Amino acid sequence: AQSVTQLGSHVSVSEGALVLLRCNYSSSVPPYLFWYVQYPNQGLQLLLKYTSAATLVKGINDFEAEFKKSETSFHLTKPSAHMSDAAEYFCAVSEGNFNKFYFGSGTKLNVKP
Amino acid sequence: DAGITQSPRHKVTETGTPVTLRCHQTENHRYMYWYRQDPGHGLRLIHYSYGVKDTDKGEVSDGYSVSRSKTEDFLLTLESATSSQTSVYFCATSLRGSNQPQHFGDGTRLSIL
Repeated sequence: AQSVTQLGSHVSVSEGALVLLRCNYSSSVPPYLFWYVQYPNQGLQLLLKYTSAATLVKGINDFEAEFKKSETSFHLTKPSAHMSDAAEYFCAVSEGNFNKFYFGSGTKLNVKP
Repeated sequence: DAGITQSPRHKVTETGTPVTLRCHQTENHRYMYWYRQDPGHGLRLIHYSYGVKDTDKGEVSDGYSVSRSKTEDFLLTLESATSSQTSVYFCATSLRGSNQPQHFGDGTRLSIL
């Protein structure tokens, strides 16, 4: 089975600062990778996905992620944090014919004014 | 997202009682999933369905059963609820193909006393 590791259960940044959320995966085959965001009392919303077309993937709200095969990483970045980015972020990898997802444990992003 | 409705949104029940959660989708997605979300664990797959009457176990299936008699409905049953099943439950759907994102409902918060 696949596994996903998100380093840092809590990350705190100042408004306007760079956001970097880390995700490493284990996979014996080229993976399909996803980042989701969850606001309080809501479901998960797709931020972006990597499906091998390009290593740098752009998503919604100026988020982007870079796939690095040599490092088995898919870190999420945003150049300038906004207060509205405060949420929990999940990295996921899909596996198999039935598109089963394996999620990381999540990173809560706090944005300080 | 993707017309996914979960019911009920909140439920409190007692140990030993049966509980059924419902997921209804209007997007005609073939695949459907049930996850539970617990602090520090991210989302873990309970069961999934790859078609009407076609279901299989996920990584945390003990104590749960599912049924899918129509494309649009996927039911999760806790046969005899235990306190360890207190959690937030999410339903998700996707199109066929391992490069497809999953779309999530808003969750059901279940408390078992």
